[in-house]
Amino acid sequence: EADIYQTPRYLVIGTGKKITLECSQTMGHDKMYWYQQDPGMELHLIHYSYGVNSTEKGDLSSESTVSRIRTEHFPLTLESARPSHTSQYLCASSESQLSSYEQYFGPGTRLTVT
Amino acid sequence: SQQGEEDPQALSIQEGENATMNCSYKTSINNLQWYRQNSGRGLVHLILIRSNEREKHSGRLRVTLDTSKKSSSLLITASRAADTASYFCATWSQGNLIFGKGTKLSVKP
Repeated sequence: EADIYQTPRYLVIGTGKKITLECSQTMGHDKMYWYQQDPGMELHLIHYSYGVNSTEKGDLSSESTVSRIRTEHFPLTLESARPSHTSQYLCASSESQLSSYEQYFGPGTRLTVT
Repeated sequence: SQQGEEDPQALSIQEGENATMNCSYKTSINNLQWYRQNSGRGLVHLILIRSNEREKHSGRLRVTLDTSKKSSSLLITASRAADTASYFCATWSQGNLIFGKGTKLSVKP
């Protein structure tokens, strides 16, 4: 099992609420990622970070924001949740931004917005 | 944009049989990775094959790569019920890994 953690694992929340999904890794990895995945579908990269104070948007446009103040921590925030945000969110990290390195994934947060 | 695409989308076999999944991709690559995802969980890296390799083994896994056809295959031999999961190929594009839609494998005991 990879040393990458996500909380909460499941979240049901009403429309308009602000939420933060937590992601932490203890491997000292510089690069971290957030993916969004609908059931049975592919992963879509929504945010990534090369290291502290670095954040970039991914291929899929997302209304969420991220921050990277510490190497080990990469939280994702939705200021005003909507039903269209219902999905699974996966956090991952890798030792390097080079393509030969594997990504380590957390267990995911399944978000339902009612 | 989707780089890798797995085939078939779903595969159901009996325990002990072999399972073969295919992945096609669009642009030239340095390497291709395969991942596994158990239901409701994160992905786990299985194997990486470099563009100058044609075949690679890891336990019951055998991966092939044909760069001329821009395709890869993942073979799981002597499958077990515990192999039931979704399997994704991933290739590097514009600085990030791009995952396909995956093949959902069901192994019946």
